[in-house]
Amino acid sequence: EEQLLESGGGLVQPGGSLRLSCAASGFTFRSFTMSWVRQAPGKGLEWVSGISSGGSSTYADSVKGRFFISRDNSNNTLHLQMDSLTAEDTAIYYCARGLPLGYWGQGALVTVSS
Amino acid sequence: DIQMTQSPSTLSASVGDRVTITCRASQSISSWLAWYQQKPGKAPKLLIYKASTLNSGVPSRFSGSGSGTEFTLTISSLQPDNFATYYCQQYNSFPYTFGQGTKLEIK
Repeated sequence: EEQLLESGGGLVQPGGSLRLSCAASGFTFRSFTMSWVRQAPGKGLEWVSGISSGGSSTYADSVKGRFFISRDNSNNTLHLQMDSLTAEDTAIYYCARGLPLGYWGQGALVTVSS
Repeated sequence: DIQMTQSPSTLSASVGDRVTITCRASQSISSWLAWYQQKPGKAPKLLIYKASTLNSGVPSRFSGSGSGTEFTLTISSLQPDNFATYYCQQYNSFPYTFGQGTKLEIK
């Protein structure tokens, strides 16, 4: 059974850093484009970043230069390194498979607050 | 960036109704449009991709149409399980923007 399991969320102070991970199982991870999508409390969906099967990455303007997406195909894991966090980054962060986003994890909550 | 605008933002309907949600793109995205359903506290689920192709396991009462800049999601006969928030997303070009969502409520 295919599964995406996010981890690494939590409470961080403004200006701090956090690294999210997404463990994939049940499918051929290396073959898929993977993405991060976030949802601020009570708000809509925002595509954050994506990485192709070949390793090419793209970012939303709102996170460009602060977030870094990577993938470890040997361990079937997607990562999102988030630096210089602000309150506006508070959200549930979902990892998602494919393009379009055919399968989603359950999300990891990131709270940026002092 | 391509802006995606959904209408209406909220839709009140009854079980058995036929409803349509519209999504407009600020520039042509060909047919590179997906629709997602999200229920409270849950991750979104893909309903339709490439504007009109039903994802595996999605009931046939859901349908999508359109190309270029104007798209619609239609639910032919609402069921209790269909009351949720629906999002469109373009995946024609980065960043892959979403519409603001349409909340489908029980009348």
